[in-house]
Amino acid sequence: ETGVTQTPRHLVMGMTNKKSLKCEQHLGHNAMYWYKQSAKKPLELMFVYSLEERVENNSVPSRFSPECPNSSHLFLHLHTLQPEDSALYLCASSQFRGPYNEQFFGPGTRLTVL
Amino acid sequence: ILNVEQSPQSLHVQEGDSTNFTCSFPSSNFYALHWYRWETAKSPEALFVMTLNGDEKKKGRISATLNTKEGYSYLYIKGSQPEDSATYLCASVFYGQNFVFGPGTRLSVLP
Repeated sequence: ETGVTQTPRHLVMGMTNKKSLKCEQHLGHNAMYWYKQSAKKPLELMFVYSLEERVENNSVPSRFSPECPNSSHLFLHLHTLQPEDSALYLCASSQFRGPYNEQFFGPGTRLTVL
Repeated sequence: ILNVEQSPQSLHVQEGDSTNFTCSFPSSNFYALHWYRWETAKSPEALFVMTLNGDEKKKGRISATLNTKEGYSYLYIKGSQPEDSATYLCASVFYGQNFVFGPGTRLSVLP
């Protein structure tokens, strides 16, 4: 596969469940990102990893826990979510973290919290 | 809080029409402006990266301009086609290194 892939594409979970979102990039990039898009809102940055180290946590609640085991993989672990966390979660990667590097996005995971 | 705004929110044009829309951003501490096209059920796809005041970029029928002094960028589509139907996002990068996205302009091109 090429580009940035995300699994699952759709996820429905209860508030007491624990689940994980997976992102994989096949581009040899060094930076990876999690974004959230809620209904009627712009894309909102959640986390940034550069060279496998977390460099940004954009005031995200602790019920979202990212993990970057290597430069190709990024996970978002979810536990005790709230219905307002229902959103589209997008993963992206870029060659390096920086203002001039375009980001390549995955197709997203549509999350519904019941 | 840094806000990036886009207008209009949505736009319907006939096939063959030319159209344009706007991205507005704070002009201070500006680093770069990115445009993306996001088709339904697909991934956002990068169109342009713009950095300098007066920059103009072109890709086929799509072009963009940048004014960093007044804080806006225009995206133009010449001779719109149904396959241009998508949401067009802009993202500005300020003194930090994080992208701040606008809410997007949803374009529908009617055959």
